[in-house]
Amino acid sequence: SQQGEEDPQALSIQEGENATMNCSYKTSINNLQWYRQNSGRGLVHLILIRSNEREKHSGRLRVTLDTSKKSSSLLITASRAADTASYFCAYMNNNAGNMLTFGGGTRLMVKP
Amino acid sequence: EAGVAQSPRYKIIEKRQSVAFWCNPISGHATLYWYQQILGQGPKLLIQFQNNGVVDDSQLPKDRFSAERLKGVDSTLKIQPAKLEDSAVYLCASSRDRSNSPLHFGNGTRLTVT
Repeated sequence: SQQGEEDPQALSIQEGENATMNCSYKTSINNLQWYRQNSGRGLVHLILIRSNEREKHSGRLRVTLDTSKKSSSLLITASRAADTASYFCAYMNNNAGNMLTFGGGTRLMVKP
Repeated sequence: EAGVAQSPRYKIIEKRQSVAFWCNPISGHATLYWYQQILGQGPKLLIQFQNNGVVDDSQLPKDRFSAERLKGVDSTLKIQPAKLEDSAVYLCASSRDRSNSPLHFGNGTRLTVT
C-alpha cells in the first residue's frame, strides 16, 4: 500500500505562475525523491534530498524537507506548458531495506 | 547511456491466461525493480533485486506473480493466471545501488486483462 500522501491531487495554473506540491510520509527515511511522469511514459527522476538536508535547488525546481513534520514540498517556478505532467514523491524507508515508496501523485496542468 | 528497455509496450490478454514482461536495465546497475502502476495511482513496488538476489518481494502476489533476474542483468516478470485487477502498467526501473541512487525507469508495459 502507498504510505505517501500528496497534495493537491490535481493542480491547474497559467504559464508563468509557480506550482507547489506537497508530500507527507509516515516513517523515518534515508532520502526523499521527486519524479515526473508524462502521459504514457515512465517516470523521470527530478531531484533527491537526503534526510540531513533541508532544501535543494535544481534549475526552476526547489525542494524542501521537514523531517520533524515528515513532509516535503516541490516548487516549480515560472511554469511552462511543457511542465504539464504528473509529479510523484518517493521516500526511501530505512526500516524496510531501503525500499522506495511512491505517493499517489499530483497531476499538474499548465495552461499556455 | 542507453535507458531501461522494456517489452512488449502493450499487451491484451483474457483473464486466466498467462503473460510475461521483459526488462533490460542500464548496464552496470546492480538494483532492479518491478513496479505496478494502476491508472491514476502512484507506482507500487512488486519486487526488488540486488544483482540476481531478491531484496524485497513482500508486495508480490506470489500465488500468481513470479519474477527472476538471471545472471544479475535482464529480468522477466510473469503473471499466471491473470485476473481483471491485474490491468495496469508494469514499470521496470534500475539504479546503481540501493541507497542514495535515483531510479531510472523504462516506459513500461501496459497490460489489459479482459
